[in-house]
Amino acid sequence: GQSLEQPSEVTAVEGAIVQINCTYQTSGFYGLSWYQQHDGGAPTFLSYNALDGLEETGRFSSFLSRSDSYGYLLLQELQMKDSASYFCAVTYNQGGKLIFGQGTELSVKP
Amino acid sequence: KAGVTQTPRYLIKTRGQQVTLSCSPISGHRSVSWYQQTPGQGLQFLFEYFSETQRNKGNFPGRFSGRQFSNSRSEMNVSTLELGDSALYLCASSLESRVSGGYTFGSGTRLTVV
Repeated sequence: GQSLEQPSEVTAVEGAIVQINCTYQTSGFYGLSWYQQHDGGAPTFLSYNALDGLEETGRFSSFLSRSDSYGYLLLQELQMKDSASYFCAVTYNQGGKLIFGQGTELSVKP
Repeated sequence: KAGVTQTPRYLIKTRGQQVTLSCSPISGHRSVSWYQQTPGQGLQFLFEYFSETQRNKGNFPGRFSGRQFSNSRSEMNVSTLELGDSALYLCASSLESRVSGGYTFGSGTRLTVV
């Protein structure tokens, strides 16, 4: 089946770096995306990896290794506003379909 | 540029009733997808419409249906509501149905079934 595994919770301190991992048991997908969601609001697109390697967007970076069925989101210079839920998701070639992980709740402490 | 607009924001319905939720995508976006979010099951794909055609469907019973209009606005309908249908329903839009992950989500409709 299609499943993505993420840690349920991660805690880090302001200014630090945190990595949120996503391992998956699926194939045939276009790429791996990351979304941020604050308190049940609208998920916001953060990053996308179609190819293996690192993608950097400001303080956020995302990595994908298809051979290891693994990806991660790296958040640098953590700020209090980064406290939110983070979801990895795969995009399938059927189009318009995202399969999400269960999400990781990030708590940033002062 | 306006974002994805979902109406209503909150809804309370009684078991057995039906409900219709609306989603207006970003102007120019032709793909609209719907998701159900619950604490237990997380974010689950319902269906996707592209140019008025349902392109893909998730594993939900036939009580869940949708449609897309020529202006790309979409509606989803849930008939014979059950308590377990209580959830945040999110729609997402994009220019194309196969896009580099950059879907824009609305703030959702929170449906409570009592």
